Amino acid sequence: DAGVIQSPRHEVTEMGQEVTLRCKPISGHDYLFWYRQTMMRGLELLIYFNNNVPIDDSGMPEDRFSAKMPNASFSTLKIQPSEPRDSAVYFCASSSRTASGNTIYFGEGSWLTVV
Amino acid sequence: GQQLNQSPQSMFIQEGEDVSMNCTSSSIFNTWLWYKQDPGEGPVLLIALYKAGELTSNGRLTAQFGITRKDSFLNISASIPSDVGIYFCAGLNNFNKFYFGSGTKLNVKP
Repeated sequence: DAGVIQSPRHEVTEMGQEVTLRCKPISGHDYLFWYRQTMMRGLELLIYFNNNVPIDDSGMPEDRFSAKMPNASFSTLKIQPSEPRDSAVYFCASSSRTASGNTIYFGEGSWLTVV
Repeated sequence: GQQLNQSPQSMFIQEGEDVSMNCTSSSIFNTWLWYKQDPGEGPVLLIALYKAGELTSNGRLTAQFGITRKDSFLNISASIPSDVGIYFCAGLNNFNKFYFGSGTKLNVKP
């Protein structure tokens, strides 16, 4: 089975530019998460969706960040305008409640550098 | 808010040695998950624990869901160089929210 697919894997952009990160969750999963990872702060939850609806966006740093999930197989995280302090690895993850329990699976990450 | 305390932060061990790391919380969790992250990659699920007291193995890895539901440990037996990486614990609470530990960085000397 295909895992969580993210693109781009790496992006270098100039300060002030718009950045769009993309995610395809595992088919059948009804939860989708966006995390940011930095050395200083570790893994931070930015936002998560359930059945394409945003449930908790309290982790989104500021208005420059926005996320959408137009359908069950696609989500975007947008940063506009980008700033150097946004440089981090952004992970998309998905999960589904099964008879056993709930397990979260990560994509390989989008490595963002803002210069 | 809820926090997961993961320890140790880092470990330097000799190949062949056993390793133990743990996560504790002041709140109870319904699920404990353990991940490994290699450089340049995303966290990969190693073991999932769904019941208090559950002990689960995956090859040389063994993890347990603490009876109090507030802790979990991961053991690696007979470590090898490819065990190098960062290990994360994660807990799922009653509100269906995941929390992650800060990671244990494992270094294995051949």
